[in-house]
Amino acid sequence: SAVISQKPSRDICQRGTSLTIQCQVDSQVTMMFWYRQQPGQSLTLIATANQGSEATYESGFVIDKFPISRPNLTFSTLTVSNMSPEDSSIYLCSVGDRKNTGELFFGEGSRLTVL
Amino acid sequence: LAKTTQPISMDSYEGQEVNITCSHNNIATNDYITWYQQFPSQGPRFIIQGYKTKVTNEVASLFIPADRKSSTLSLPRVSLSDTAVYYCLAGPLSSGGSYIPTFGRGTSLIVHP
Repeated sequence: SAVISQKPSRDICQRGTSLTIQCQVDSQVTMMFWYRQQPGQSLTLIATANQGSEATYESGFVIDKFPISRPNLTFSTLTVSNMSPEDSSIYLCSVGDRKNTGELFFGEGSRLTVL
Repeated sequence: LAKTTQPISMDSYEGQEVNITCSHNNIATNDYITWYQQFPSQGPRFIIQGYKTKVTNEVASLFIPADRKSSTLSLPRVSLSDTAVYYCLAGPLSSGGSYIPTFGRGTSLIVHP
């Protein structure tokens, strides 16, 4: 299993500002995933973060808007840049099981509200 | 990665058995079926995983027919605390390489008193 801590758990932000979300895992993991979940919707994958390489972004998400860092095997950050009210959402960090069972572990999420 | 289709919502009552079916017609040979549960304001939580036939754990059972084009999550004797969104995923076990864990719309289960 893996225990994931996300910070902040929630925040209220002003339009045009940027916010960085941190994801800390209690064990070393190869791949980390960042998801966005808008109110009442399913999870949408933003990007896959690999240690030591550029993140791989899904269609509709770009690095300039959602820069990601992955400095080591236990930590990653996602920045939501130049925020607008449409970015109000829950952002979730996830990791795969080290034993490759296919199980995903999730943090509690970071709820952002952009005014 | 196999696309999955589930009912958008279901209603049940306490003490009943609930069966949620997921369609994955283009499932690949090396794909497993995994179900997650998500409560409001929490990240999804693993429930059960299987490849074929039947898998049972302390929480649920998973039924997968021989053609593997669908699967059914069975929750025995649900309680109010089982009210949640349930997601079905079909993909390979490895979380490295090309596996992209993609969530469909999920099934919102509401359990009534």
